[in-house]
Formats: sequence, C-alpha cells, structure tokens
Amino acid sequence: QVKLLQSGAALVKPGASVKMSCKASGYTFTDYWVSWVKQSHGKSLEWIGEIYPNSGATNFNEKFKGKATLTVDKSTSTAYMELSRLTSEDSAIYYCTRGVIRGRGSYFDYWGQGVMVTVSS
Amino acid sequence: DIVLTQSPALAVSLGQRATISCRASESVRSSMHWYQQKSGQQPKLLIYGASNLASGVPARFSGSGSGTDFTFTIDPVEADDIATYYCQQSRNDPWTFGGGTKLELK
Repeated sequence: QVKLLQSGAALVKPGASVKMSCKASGYTFTDYWVSWVKQSHGKSLEWIGEIYPNSGATNFNEKFKGKATLTVDKSTSTAYMELSRLTSEDSAIYYCTRGVIRGRGSYFDYWGQGVMVTVSS
Repeated sequence: DIVLTQSPALAVSLGQRATISCRASESVRSSMHWYQQKSGQQPKLLIYGASNLASGVPARFSGSGSGTDFTFTIDPVEADDIATYYCQQSRNDPWTFGGGTKLELK
C-alpha cells in the first residue's frame, strides 16, 4: 500500500536551516508529484510547493520562494524539503503528500505523518 | 490567490446530517476537494473533484457543487466523524485550503 514516511521532529535555532525527508513506497515514485504542506499550531493548511520526481520540476507558492528548497533522490524514492533562515513563524508541522493532477493542479491522496519543527534558541 | 471560506464550527447530533459549506473567491469549476483531519493526525482525502468519493471512504460522505459554492455532507453522522474538515482547490496556483470546519457534537 502507498506510504509516505517522514523523518522525525526537529528543534532548531533561529537563523539555522532544517532538512526533512519523505520516503515513498507502494507506488511508482516518479509518476506523481510530491507536495509539501505547512500547518501552524491550531491553524489551517498552507501549500508550500511541489516537485515532480521524474524531471525534478518544481512549482512554489510565492510565499515560500526563497524559504523552501525541494529535491528528490529517485534511487531511494525519497523527497526532501529544506527550510532556511528559520524564525519562530516557521514552527509548524510539515506534511509531505502525493499529488494527483486534477484541473490545473493537484489534490492530495496520501499524506505523511508530519514533521514537527520547533524554532527556538 | 483564491480564498476559500468555511464556517469555523458546526454542532450536530449523532445520526443526523451534517452539511459543511465552502465558498471560493472565484470559480474553481469542479476542482474542489475535501479532507478530514482528526486530532493529532494527518489529513485524509475524502472527496475529490467536488463529488467523487476517494477510495475506501464510506458512502455516508458526499460532496456537491461547482464554480464558487460547494457542499460537503455526512449522513448520518457517526461518533468517529468528529474532526476538522478542510476544502482545497486545485484550479489556480497556489493551491489553497479553507480555514477548516470543526465538527462538534451537540
């Protein structure tokens, strides 16, 4: 069955970077977009951006350009997201999702368990 | 960006019908999708393309609408349905989510 297994929680200092992983299994990794979604404490969901593993093509929410970097390792079916210049506003849970194209964009049919990132000195 | 507006909360009795609305700031045609998020868990896809039931989702859940006005229905509501429900559009980049509707028991 389809699974997205994310890396563990991270505690990072302001100004630092954090890189998290999302290992996919149960489907052909290169056939689907991988999107990343942010959920701040008690709040709604924000789409950060997406990457197509087959080509490495990316698409970002303007709000997160310069903040998030998306990459993949096709050999291990793993997607990565790096967040840079962290501030308290980046403290949140980050989900990776599998994107299925519908209309011009995607809906998300499978989600990882989430990575809690805490930015604190 | 397309803004999706949902009511913050809805109180319902077990066995009754729950109807959650989502209004888009501009037309998204049928590119509207619905998710359930239980406390402490990741979201789960329930409905895609406005009215299509995702795999393994009970037929108690349904969706309708097109353009700017969408409805998500649970009939009948069961105790396991207590959660927050989000709509999401994939018509225009960036893909956006509604603020969520928390389903509560009366």
